[in-house]
Amino acid sequence: EVQLVESGGNWVQPGGSLRLSCFASGFTFNTYSMHWVRRAPGKGLEYVSSITSDGANTHYADSVKGRFTISRDNSRNTLWLQMNSLTFEDTALYYCVKNGHGSGTYFDYWGQGTLVTVSS
Amino acid sequence: SYELTQPPSVSVSPGQTARITCSGDALPKKYAYWYQQKSGQAPVLVIYDDTIRPSGIPEKFSGSSSGTMVTLTISGAQVEDEADYYCFSSDSIGNDVVFGGGTRLTVL
Repeated sequence: EVQLVESGGNWVQPGGSLRLSCFASGFTFNTYSMHWVRRAPGKGLEYVSSITSDGANTHYADSVKGRFTISRDNSRNTLWLQMNSLTFEDTALYYCVKNGHGSGTYFDYWGQGTLVTVSS
Repeated sequence: SYELTQPPSVSVSPGQTARITCSGDALPKKYAYWYQQKSGQAPVLVIYDDTIRPSGIPEKFSGSSSGTMVTLTISGAQVEDEADYYCFSSDSIGNDVVFGGGTRLTVL
């Protein structure tokens, strides 16, 4: 059974930093791209970032480019999202997501999410 | 940046067919995906590659594509199908991936 367990969400002041983690199990982690998706209160789903199976290539939404960094350790089945220079607009539930089968970017399994609150 | 457009809300009576549309310029060339998100739960993939239903998703869910529009159809919608539904796809060169704004389905 595929399981994705996020952690690291917390309250942080504007300008602060947080590091989210996601531990994956139930599938061959090193063969799938992985992603982060978020949902802010009262808003819809928003794509955040992706990383290829080998960690060689990454992609970011314009809204987080230059502030967030996605990374992974295939030996530990773990995905991270380093978030710097956080703003109020980054307040959201952040989901760790597994890519589906095939070459296209889409999401077939989601974690339960970890909550990031940016507030003064 | 690329955009996918969905109606904010759709409402049907129990047992009726609900249709949720999603329009985008690249949809003739790129597959669309549909996600269901019930209140307090993580999203669930209900349709991939425009028309394919993942294992475990009820047959009541189906997807179709025509030109720049894709449609999620829920046949015989019930109260338990009330949720936010999102389409997802990419721009024509695959650089940008994006969700539609979401459609809240009400069954009452």
